Parts: sequence; C-alpha cells; structure tokens
Amino acid sequence: KAGVTQTPRYLIKTRGQQVTLSCSPISGHRSVSWYQQTPGQGLQFLFEYFSETQRNKGNFPGRFSGRQFSNSRSEMNVSTLELGDSALYLCASSLVGTVDSPLHFGNGTRLTVT
Amino acid sequence: GESVGLHLPTLSVQEGDNSIINCAYSNSASDYFIWYKQESGKGPQFIIDIRSNMDKRQGQRVTVLLNKTVKHLSLQIAATQPGDSAVYFCAEKSPLGNTDKLIFGTGTRLQVFP
Repeated sequence: KAGVTQTPRYLIKTRGQQVTLSCSPISGHRSVSWYQQTPGQGLQFLFEYFSETQRNKGNFPGRFSGRQFSNSRSEMNVSTLELGDSALYLCASSLVGTVDSPLHFGNGTRLTVT
Repeated sequence: GESVGLHLPTLSVQEGDNSIINCAYSNSASDYFIWYKQESGKGPQFIIDIRSNMDKRQGQRVTVLLNKTVKHLSLQIAATQPGDSAVYFCAEKSPLGNTDKLIFGTGTRLQVFP
C-alpha cells in the first residue's frame, strides 16, 4: 500500500508570494493533518481535516489555510509568504481520526522563502 | 505545552548495545502516545504506540514504557544497529476528543557508532 504522498518535495518562493502544497493520504484514510517543522520550534500542529471538514486548528495566522476534497486528498495554502515560513511542511493521515489511530507521515515539502 | 525544539539532546551508543530514549509529556489527560523515528530528508516514521491504560508495550526490538505518575515515556531499542541512527520523537495525542492533533517532544538524536 502506498504511503502518504506530498508534492512538491521542494519549493523556493519569494516574500509576498503564495504557495499551495498537496497531500495524498494512504488509501482508505479519511483524516489528514498538517504540521510545520522548523529547527527552532520543532513540530507544530497546523490543522486537521476529516470528511472535508476542518476539525481542529493550531495557533497559526490566517495566512495558513487548507482544505480536504471528497477523495480525502488535501491541500494547504500559505499566502503572503514571510521569511519565517521557511520550513518542512508535513502531512499525516490516519484511518479514522480517533484517539488511538496512529498518524502516518509523508516525507514533507521543504519550503524556502527568500 | 507545545513542542519547542530549541536544543536536540544526543544519545551516542555502540552498535549492539541497548538504547533508552526518554521523553516527558505535557498533559496528564493525554490518552495515547506514539514514538516516531525521523531520518534525514524524510518524514517521521511510526515506530510504536501505547494507550494510557497500559504501562508497557513491545514491538520488534523496541519496547515503550509509560509512567503516568511522572508523565514519562521511554523507548528502548534492543541491539542497536547503524540503521537506527535518526532523531526520535515522542508524541501525545491531544485529549480534546476525536482529533489527530499531536503534541511532539523536542526529539533526541541517536548516533550509533561501530
């Protein structure tokens, strides 16, 4: 079974631009969540989606948004990019999104903002 | 509180020895815990999980111990191999209800030398 797939693997953008990252969950997984990883802050929760609905959101500005499609695929968008948005963005999926369903991560999209 | 990865502790072990990686979690109400392994250039890889109604769980060469009294998790790796070299994170599921929000520890770098 294929794992979580994230595209693209690498992105370079300039300040003020916007970016869209894509995530395909493991087949059959209905819950998708996003995390930001930086050397300074570690792994931080962005948001999660289940059945096309945002179920929870982390402490990030409104420039960060996401959505989930009917096939469970998800996208996240960052508008008006800032230098501090440079990070590894990780997508994770789980089967049912309940308390004891493990999350499985993709290899991430490395975003560099110049 | 949220993960703050300001300093990454390192554990150096000799090949063949056992490794013990420790983690303090933040919320006494957390009900589910996961250990992840992250290799360079990859996303976190699921290793093992444990519910709060257990104090020990074993996998292949790995054992997770949970001490709820002091909010402490440990990951034991038997007969450590060079391929075990990576950063290891513990994560707790937020006790908010049906959610995939994970709160990550700061991580520990495991270095295996011959």
